[in-house]
Amino acid sequence: SAVISQKPSRDICQRGTSLTIQCQVDSQVTMMFWYRQQPGQSLTLIATANQGSEATYESGFVIDKFPISRPNLTFSTLTVSNMSPEDSSIYLCSVANLPGQGNTEAFFGQGTRLTVV
Amino acid sequence: GNSVTQMEGPVTLSEEAFLTINCTYTATGYPSLFWYVQYPGEGLQLLLKATKADDKGSNKGFEATYRKETTSFHLEKGSVQVSDSAVYFCALANAGGTSYGKLTFGQGTILTVHP
Repeated sequence: SAVISQKPSRDICQRGTSLTIQCQVDSQVTMMFWYRQQPGQSLTLIATANQGSEATYESGFVIDKFPISRPNLTFSTLTVSNMSPEDSSIYLCSVANLPGQGNTEAFFGQGTRLTVV
Repeated sequence: GNSVTQMEGPVTLSEEAFLTINCTYTATGYPSLFWYVQYPGEGLQLLLKATKADDKGSNKGFEATYRKETTSFHLEKGSVQVSDSAVYFCALANAGGTSYGKLTFGQGTILTVHP
């Protein structure tokens, strides 16, 4: 398995501002992902964070709203830009394909609970 | 595209009752199927998985069988405990993908078990 640390664990932000969420993994991983869990709803994949290149976004998510960085194989950030109350969600970092283990299942961080007021 | 449909919740049971949470899916090819669990105040954890038809995943007394003919992956446990109270998510990963990280989730089922 992998130990995934997310910061912050929760935050309350003013609308119109931006928040950057950090994800740190205890080992180098090939695949990192960002998910959103809106209140009372399921998880939706936002994007795949690619090391050394631009993130790959899923339908309905754009780079201007959710810029992602992945400077190395153990770290990624997700920024929620120009926030509105509709962005209030739990944001989760996920990793898969752990080194030396082939095609492994996904592991998740504890999530960042964001409230926009 | 892919989709996962779970039974409506919440589900409330007494301790030692039998549990079934239904999950059906729509996908191209032969996806891999997962059940994840989210205990109160904790992150998402993999409960069990099955990667091909007729496979049975099992863990902590929970079981689910990959049924291709009915496109289902129902979760079962013969005798639930209070500690099983959590939110359960059915999920799939694309067939032939290079990673199980790109998941499509069902809506989640809240399970509450009373003593």
